[in-house]
Amino acid sequence: GESVGLHLPTLSVQEGDNSIINCAYSNSASDYFIWYKQESGKGPQFIIDIRSNMDKRQGQRVTVLLNKTVKHLSLQIAATQPGDSAVYFCAENILGSYIPTFGRGTSLIVHP
Amino acid sequence: DGGITQSPKYLFRKEGQNVTLSCEQNLNHDAMYWYRQDPGQGLRLIYYSQIVNDFQKGDIAEGYSVSREKKESFPLTVTSAQKNPTAFYLCASSIWPGGNQPQHFGDGTRLSIL
Repeated sequence: GESVGLHLPTLSVQEGDNSIINCAYSNSASDYFIWYKQESGKGPQFIIDIRSNMDKRQGQRVTVLLNKTVKHLSLQIAATQPGDSAVYFCAENILGSYIPTFGRGTSLIVHP
Repeated sequence: DGGITQSPKYLFRKEGQNVTLSCEQNLNHDAMYWYRQDPGQGLRLIYYSQIVNDFQKGDIAEGYSVSREKKESFPLTVTSAQKNPTAFYLCASSIWPGGNQPQHFGDGTRLSIL
């Protein structure tokens, strides 16, 4: 398993490539999932969400896929731009609880 | 524009000192939250409040205190009992109940020890 430390998983891509960021969630009772983007020194910004009765949802240049069988969530960013460089993390809401659980995040680096 | 304002952006604490972090929102949200973020870690919940004059401990409440006297405001005090206060502190708000709603975050306060 992944050890707790100072360094986040990192994904490096070239400008214009598509990026896929993955998240394994922990609780099969979770029914609502959110992706956030956090730029350095700033607070997290909402990107896109998905409910457990869906397996795919699209936004502007972003798509979230949900695979409940293996408890896996992914965020796809099309035509990645340097401004997409940030930490991305997922959050899950367990049915009946209104407090989300946040993942550690993945650092996305986009090279011009 | 509606949003959440945290102040100050940077804060330094001396040994034995209590410091208070400000969080104000004009989104008319019922619920407010405080999180602590350490390098390479997920957000950890310190306290949350569903309504005015009520708040609940989160996972790491020891060494912290809060108040919720107004709907718009949820200040966090880092007391001298918190022995490792250096971290990035994030305030958030949401509609309550917020089970299927995202939280809105401020831009954080970075607290360091002098």
